[in-house]
Amino acid sequence: EVQLVESGGGLVHPGGSLRLSCAASGFTFSNYAMTWVRQAPGKGLELVSSISGSAGDTYHAGSVKGRFTISRDNSKNTLYLQMNSLRVEDTAVYYCAKELLDSWYNSYFDSWGQGALVIVSS
Amino acid sequence: DIVMTQSPDSLAVSLGERATINCESSQSVLYSSNNKNYLAWYQQKPGQPPKLLFYWASTRQSGVPDRFSGGGSGTDFSLTISSLQAEDVAVYYCQQYYNTPRTFGQGTKVEIK
Repeated sequence: EVQLVESGGGLVHPGGSLRLSCAASGFTFSNYAMTWVRQAPGKGLELVSSISGSAGDTYHAGSVKGRFTISRDNSKNTLYLQMNSLRVEDTAVYYCAKELLDSWYNSYFDSWGQGALVIVSS
Repeated sequence: DIVMTQSPDSLAVSLGERATINCESSQSVLYSSNNKNYLAWYQQKPGQPPKLLFYWASTRQSGVPDRFSGGGSGTDFSLTISSLQAEDVAVYYCQQYYNTPRTFGQGTKVEIK
């Protein structure tokens, strides 16, 4: 059974940094691309960042480009999201999601974690 | 970017009745070389993460009850619940994976009347 468990969320001041982790189990982690999707309170879903299985190909949404960095450690079956220069509008639940294949192109999300809440506030 | 627009934003349906959600994309998500629509549907129950219901617009994910059906092609798609059950109360999202960035609809909230 696929399990994705996010951690690292919390309260941070504007301009601060936070690193989210997503521990994966139940599948061969390195064979699948992974993605972070966020959901602001009471709002819809927004794709944040994606990374291929080999970590050779990444994508960042325009709203986070230059501030967030997605990475993965296939030896630890863990996905990361380094978030710098955080803004109030980054407040959201951040979900990690497993992609269908090792590439995130033309792919959908077949498993999701429970999410990690990030609150950016002074 | 492809804009995904769902309608209605919310609907209230009596138990056992039919519920239909529409999703329109600002450009076709049908890939002519394989005749597949790059469209997925997700269900998000209160306090839970999204769950995949359909991919390729109409292929039901394993474990999804057959009262759920997905259809449409090109730019117009629909998700139908043939006989609404209490456990179907949720927000439903469509998502295109035809090109980058992959985008979601704004969501449709389904409630019991």
